[in-house]
Amino acid sequence: KQEVTQIPAALSVPEGENLVLNCSFTDSAIYNLQWFRQDPGKGLTSLLLIQSSQREQTSGRLNASLDKSSGRSTLYIAASQPGDSATYLCALRRGGSEKLVFGKGTKLTVNP
Amino acid sequence: SAVISQKPSRDICQRGTSLTIQCQVDSQVTMMFWYRQQPGQSLTLIATANQGSEATYESGFVIDKFPISRPNLTFSTLTVSNMSPEDSSIYLCSADRYQETQYFGPGTRLLVL
Repeated sequence: KQEVTQIPAALSVPEGENLVLNCSFTDSAIYNLQWFRQDPGKGLTSLLLIQSSQREQTSGRLNASLDKSSGRSTLYIAASQPGDSATYLCALRRGGSEKLVFGKGTKLTVNP
Repeated sequence: SAVISQKPSRDICQRGTSLTIQCQVDSQVTMMFWYRQQPGQSLTLIATANQGSEATYESGFVIDKFPISRPNLTFSTLTVSNMSPEDSSIYLCSADRYQETQYFGPGTRLLVL
């Protein structure tokens, strides 16, 4: 059974800091991996999708990497801002499955 | 991309009643899903909504409690039946095309008294 772990559960940083959020998974037979952000009481916003054949994807200040051999993905946020404060979730899709398996998320607080 | 809307955005209901949540996608999608997110928790998949046929439910979720319809490629409903306070959650609809980026609706916040 595929398990997705996100550590730490919560992270607090000062504004302007570069930071890395971690996502680990137990089964390397993934089809793709997606990073989301969720603001309190809201739905999920898709940030980046990485296919299993890719090593990384970038969008603005965000960079997501994927290393299937080690079962890890990271989300790098450059020059963090208070508006980046949210819960960040990673979710992966196994080959042959339509379903996403979610981690429990990392709650990020960026302090002004 | 796909924009997903849900109605209602929130509701307060009495125990024993039922609520139907609507999910509308602005373009055709292949897959639609329903999730539940209990307070402080991550997302739990309830079921995959299949067009024109019965939904596929995950372990722990049954059709009598969470009947789902999907009459076409862009619309689905989830009913939470015979509600109890334990059903108080955010219910989220999502959709994707051919296992690519999955998009989520804004969620329906349900409080059962």
